[in-house]
Amino acid sequence: AQKITQTQPGMFVQEKEAVTLDCTYDTSDQSYGLFWYKQPSSGEMIFLIYQGSYDEQNATEGRYSLNFQKARKSANLVISASQLGDSAMYFCAMRGFYGGATNKLIFGTGTLLAVQP
Amino acid sequence: GAVVSQHPSRVICKSGTSVKIECRSLDFQATTMFWYRQFPKQSLMLMATSNEGSKATYEQGVEKDKFLINHASLTLSTLTVTSAHPEDSSFYICSARTPRLAGGPTDTQYFGPGTRLTVL
Repeated sequence: AQKITQTQPGMFVQEKEAVTLDCTYDTSDQSYGLFWYKQPSSGEMIFLIYQGSYDEQNATEGRYSLNFQKARKSANLVISASQLGDSAMYFCAMRGFYGGATNKLIFGTGTLLAVQP
Repeated sequence: GAVVSQHPSRVICKSGTSVKIECRSLDFQATTMFWYRQFPKQSLMLMATSNEGSKATYEQGVEKDKFLINHASLTLSTLTVTSAHPEDSSFYICSARTPRLAGGPTDTQYFGPGTRLTVL
């Protein structure tokens, strides 16, 4: 069975500092993808970054980077130079790339990030 | 990124009535759409997978007769909450999976803005 674990229910960070949001996962699939989404108070889920299980380099998208450690089954999100607009709920998600039951996007419980001025 | 719209954004209805929520992919064709439900301060829970031209696949515990899903075209899926009751009040979010682009890493799921349903 697949499982995503986010152990930080909430975090504070000072504006302009970097912050790491933790995510660990469990899967029996050999090929899978890891995703991070941002959900502001409006409710919309915003796609941030993707990491494939066979990607050798860590994914980066602007101020977002994914610290992928396959052996440890972790896919932490790093936000550099935090901005007030980064305050939101962040969800880690995973999807297997084989057909059938594992080919669904499943989510962790989320981390609420609050950026302080 | 790709755009997914959802309508209505907010609906309040009386207990016993039915409510239809529309999900559209605006700039791509989505053969697969997903419907999620999110309770306050909780994560998204997948309700069903909707494939164009075929019956939806429901997750365990989701009543298919209560949550009717129709994926009539490659850009439109609808969720109808039949005979809604207060316990059905929730935030419903649809998602559409883009086709994998040439040279791209994978297909990606984009989400609609959500529909907040309140049943009185």
